[in-house]
Formats: sequence, C-alpha cells, structure tokens
Amino acid sequence: QVQLQESGPGLVKPSETLSLTCTVSGASVNSGGFFWSWIRQPPGKGLEWIGYMYYSGSRNFNPSLKSRVTISIDTANNQFSLKLNTVTAADTAIYYCARVSNWGSLPFDNWGQGTLVTVSS
Amino acid sequence: EIVLTQSPGTLSLSPGDRATLSCRASQSVGTNYLAWYQQKPGQAPRLLIHGASSRATGIPDSFSGSGSGTNFTLTINRLEPEDFAVYYCLQYGSPPWTFGQGTKVEIK
Repeated sequence: QVQLQESGPGLVKPSETLSLTCTVSGASVNSGGFFWSWIRQPPGKGLEWIGYMYYSGSRNFNPSLKSRVTISIDTANNQFSLKLNTVTAADTAIYYCARVSNWGSLPFDNWGQGTLVTVSS
Repeated sequence: EIVLTQSPGTLSLSPGDRATLSCRASQSVGTNYLAWYQQKPGQAPRLLIHGASSRATGIPDSFSGSGSGTNFTLTINRLEPEDFAVYYCLQYGSPPWTFGQGTKVEIK
C-alpha cells in the first residue's frame, strides 16, 4: 500500500521560503513511470497544481508559480520536496503531495493527507 | 492554459437520486485526459475517473464518466449518504494541468 506523508513548518513569514517534504512508503521515488507532484488548496477554495518531477530530473511547473518553485527528489530517503520562495499571504494553503502513475496517464492516484501552511508575520 | 468550468456550483439532491455533473473545457482536452475527484471535508481528494471514462481502482460502478473534446460529465447513480461531497474535474492533457472550481453535491 502506497502512502505519502507531508512534513514541514506550519507557519512561514512573508518573503521567506516555504519548505515541505513528502515521505513515500510502499513505492520507490526512483521507479519508472511515476511523477511526484505537489498540489495546493487555499482554505475553503479549489485545487491548484503546482508541479511535478520525474526521478531522472525532468520537471513541469505551473507557469503562475514557476519562477518561485523548486521540486527535488531524494532517492536515498525516498522523499521529494517543495520549496516556494518569497511567499505572501496568498500562498496560505493546504499543501498536498501526490503521485502520478503510468507515465502520466493516471493522475494523482495517491495523495498525502495534506499539511496547512500559513503565511503570516 | 485550459480553463475548466464546472456546473452547477451546487447540486441539492436526496439519497437515491442521480447526480449529473458537468465539466466544460475552454479548448479540447488532449487524449481525453480528463479526471474526476471526490473531496470530503478535512480529507484529500480521491481519484474516481481518469481518461474521461475509466474508473479508478476500488471505485463503485455507481460512478461513471463520459464525454470527449470539451464536454465531460460525471454521473453518480443512486446517491449514497457517503457520496455527498465536492467533486473536481482535472485536465492533464496539456500543461499546465488545471482543475475546475468544483461542484458541491449536498443533501436536499
């Protein structure tokens, strides 16, 4: 059974960098055919795709966030991470990590439980 | 960027009713890569349908997806109490992947 678990600070100050890690169990982040993704959801609002990464280094990001986002994979610890710099209150959201399977044909078939990140001084 | 518009915003129905949810795309969705998700309060979304009409593993056959191009539909036959939730469509045929704004299915 594949499980994903987000971790990281729940409070970030404006203009600083939001950093989250997703720990994967039951699957390997360097297995072929899987993309590792981040999605966010402002409280009470809809879902926004942030981006995904393949273990070989291939990445794809939402253009609206691309200039501020980094996604990386740590194969030694079977984790992947999100960094979002220069945050503002508009970045307050529940952040989910999720898996895309079958080379992109099966989107977000497994999700973490989500972690709320609040941007506030 | 493909914009997805879901309708209606809220659907008020009774258990046992059929729910019909619409998702319209601003341009054709490549390879009919259109998915549907269910989200309950305090939970992560759950994949229901991918490829417009393929049910995900473990999803009951009361859920069905249809459509192609720019018009897609999620149908829920015989609503069960646990089906009352918010439903989102996602297009993943063209980056950036985009979600619709959601349809809430509430108990009438």
